[in-house]
Amino acid sequence: QVQLKESGPGLVQPSETLSLTCTVSGFSLTSYSVSWVRQPSGKGPEWMGRMWYDGDTAYNSALKSRLSISRDTSKNQVFLKMNSLQTDDTGTYYCTRDGTTTGVMDAWGQGASVTVSS
Amino acid sequence: DTVLTQSPALAVSPGERVTISCRASESVSTGMHWYQQKPGQQPKLLIYGASNLESGVPARFSGSGSGTDFTLTIDPVEADDTATYFCQQSWNDPTFGGGTKLELK
Repeated sequence: QVQLKESGPGLVQPSETLSLTCTVSGFSLTSYSVSWVRQPSGKGPEWMGRMWYDGDTAYNSALKSRLSISRDTSKNQVFLKMNSLQTDDTGTYYCTRDGTTTGVMDAWGQGASVTVSS
Repeated sequence: DTVLTQSPALAVSPGERVTISCRASESVSTGMHWYQQKPGQQPKLLIYGASNLESGVPARFSGSGSGTDFTLTIDPVEADDTATYFCQQSWNDPTFGGGTKLELK
């Protein structure tokens, strides 16, 4: 059974760094790519970036200067770090699995709610 | 970025046929996918590659289109289909539409 689960702090101070972990099961990170997607409340999702199955990364150009995605295949984990957080970074952050067709997000984690506030 | 435009809301009666549209600002070929999101839940993949039904999704859902204009059809609509539906393209770096909220009368 394919599963993804996000974990991390629910509250981040403005200008600080957000660190999230996506722990996956039921598939291999060396066979499937994993994306991070965020969604402000009441709005459409926004793709943030991808950890390719081969270890390469891709980023949304609007976030690239603040974002880093990495992984630990031995622990089945993908990591997101984003710096210089502001209030408009508040929302729910999801990790997703790219299916056999690149860019099709065929499985989603339950999401991690992140609030940026002092 | 490829901008995807959806109508914000629709209201239909159970048993009716509903079409939800998505227009892309540039051609995405058939790299269009549809998701259903119920309140408090994560999105769920319904249709991929414009017209392919994801495994386990009821055949009441179907998709069509190519290029810039795409449609998700639900026929017949059931009460459980109350949700927000998002389109997403993967021809370029992924982008999502703003969502169409489907309400049942």
